[in-house]
Amino acid sequence: NAGVTQTPKFQVLKTGQSMTLQCAQDMNHNSMYWYRQDPGMGLRLIYYSASEGTTDKGEVPNGYNVSRLNKREFSLRLESAAPSQTSVYFCASSEAANTEAFFGQGTRLTVV
Amino acid sequence: QKEVEQDPGPLSVPEGAIVSLNCTYSNSAFQYFMWYRQYSRKGPELLMYTYSSGNKEDGRFTAQVDKSSKYISLFIRDSQPSDSATYLCAMGVKIIFGKGTRLHILP
Repeated sequence: NAGVTQTPKFQVLKTGQSMTLQCAQDMNHNSMYWYRQDPGMGLRLIYYSASEGTTDKGEVPNGYNVSRLNKREFSLRLESAAPSQTSVYFCASSEAANTEAFFGQGTRLTVV
Repeated sequence: QKEVEQDPGPLSVPEGAIVSLNCTYSNSAFQYFMWYRQYSRKGPELLMYTYSSGNKEDGRFTAQVDKSSKYISLFIRDSQPSDSATYLCAMGVKIIFGKGTRLHILP
């Protein structure tokens, strides 16, 4: 019963470096989401994918790209990391739009 | 105005009290509403999921939706120290979250 799995759990990057955060779900869900969580800001949607082959911007998409590789996997890429992208990143999935979402345990990213 | 508003707290109540957590929202098209609980350094876990107006009960938890007022609530009965966490409301197709309310249950 893995649910939603995120890798890595922790990462430190230097400004300007790139990296990809991986997310995989084993619940056969159609919709997947990427959020960032900062102190006092709650969870803010970066991108979401309503179904395989589709992606759409959320509230804070600047500086990020996503790929819905297949139904199971949804990756988030930082092309040129900035200190403002220091945050905890959560991936989530749901059976469809407007159904309850289930979350991974998060990736703590620090950009120095 | 943000789509979903939630008082960040912190809210401190004695053990055994009834806790009331609330969110307001601006988009009348929202029909699906969720409450999540998040412990420190963990991912959010789903507590309650409701559709449209009305009440839904699950053990010590009751979720209430008033679409006419664009107001949702989560009630926790017989609160326990283990209920101390951040509670987040969420709604909509893109699952928009409130900022979360930090709750402390005092033994």
